[in-house]
Amino acid sequence: NAGVTQTPKFQVLKTGQSMTLQCAQDMNHNSMYWYRQDPGMGLRLIYYSASEGTTDKGEVPNGYNVSRLNKREFSLRLESAAPSQTSVYFCASSSQGQGYGYTFGSGTRLTVV
Amino acid sequence: AQRVTQPEKLLSVFKGAPVELKCNYSYSGSPELFWYVQYSRQRLQLLLRHISRESIKGFTADLNKGETSFHLKKPFAQEEDSAMYYCALSGGFQKLVFGTGTRLLVSP
Repeated sequence: NAGVTQTPKFQVLKTGQSMTLQCAQDMNHNSMYWYRQDPGMGLRLIYYSASEGTTDKGEVPNGYNVSRLNKREFSLRLESAAPSQTSVYFCASSSQGQGYGYTFGSGTRLTVV
Repeated sequence: AQRVTQPEKLLSVFKGAPVELKCNYSYSGSPELFWYVQYSRQRLQLLLRHISRESIKGFTADLNKGETSFHLKKPFAQEEDSAMYYCALSGGFQKLVFGTGTRLLVSP
């Protein structure tokens, strides 16, 4: 049972390059999320998808786009990477309902030079 | 607005000492609160949630609506408890708002 799988685990980009972070879950969860984790700032929500076919902005969406390809997959795209996007990115999923928490992926460590 | 405050960036204790990681929240509705833990270089894991009123790895947390707090406690810390701890609040579509985290360091 893989849970939430993220690829790649590490990536170095040059300023201005683009890339897509992939996330897939096999738990039949309806909701999926992308967070970034920065020292001293905790986890901040970038985008989320409450259900297949819907996406919404979170706290820090600028510079990112997302696609909910199907119920399993939720990708995050950086169109033109900037050094400020150097971070660790976590994907998560959850089943809607009272008291359910998230299941997280292992993260993608992204460095933009 | 939903907000979670963890006032301590670092909490350092000796093995066997009691631990209390503080968490205060701001939310106008009925809150769902969670504690997540991240061990070194690992993914975040759900530690416990308030509605379950459970004890995981010796940790407990009680929701105090009057003080808007959800502090995490353990009577006797172990070295393997060293990790980053995040308090989180759920508001709408299970969208979690996280605090900035507290690093717990348990020394032998």
